[in-house]
Amino acid sequence: DAGVTQSPTHLIKTRGQQVTLRCSPKSGHDTVSWYQQALGQGPQFIFQYYEEEERQRGNFPDRFSGHQFPNYSSELNVNALLLGDSALYLCASSSQGSDEKLFFGSGTQLSVL
Amino acid sequence: DQQVKQNSPSLSVQEGRISILNCDYTNSMFDYFLWYKKYPAEGPTFLISISSIKDKNEDGRFTVFLNKSAKHLSLHIVPSQPGDSAVYFCAAGDTGANSKLTFGKGITLSVRP
Repeated sequence: DAGVTQSPTHLIKTRGQQVTLRCSPKSGHDTVSWYQQALGQGPQFIFQYYEEEERQRGNFPDRFSGHQFPNYSSELNVNALLLGDSALYLCASSSQGSDEKLFFGSGTQLSVL
Repeated sequence: DQQVKQNSPSLSVQEGRISILNCDYTNSMFDYFLWYKKYPAEGPTFLISISSIKDKNEDGRFTVFLNKSAKHLSLHIVPSQPGDSAVYFCAAGDTGANSKLTFGKGITLSVRP
């Protein structure tokens, strides 16, 4: 049973570019959350998607947007990249109505030069 | 403003001894607390959790204690094993298992053989 899968594993971009990160949730899960983990910090909540809609959002600018597809997979888009966007981006999945804990993927390491 | 604080960045213990990892929080709305473990190049994996209606939860070698009045929780690992060496994150939420989680910065635990 595949867990949470994320692609790509590593990515290098330059300032001002746009990036799309992808996530497939664990089988049976319908909710996807995205977190940003900067170096030396804990993961910080970006937003959560359920039923193809953004349900909760953390303190991130509108440059960060997302999407959830009918198969529950999700994308995270970041526009106008800044050097400070360099971080590990983690996707986590869960199931609404279940007390099962968040399952995390291994993340996408984004470097902005 | 850090709502979940892990003030000690690292901890080193001898194999077989007890490891005690501490965490403090400031938001009284948090009613659910979790510990995640993270190895390099992997996503965080769930370890143990506790609801605010309890003061202790035990799972094998791992026990989490919650002191609501002090807004403090701790993770005890007994006995510690070299394979426990990892970064441990304390996390808190306020609407149940699928809520947005707020993480601390993490503690790097090293268990010496």
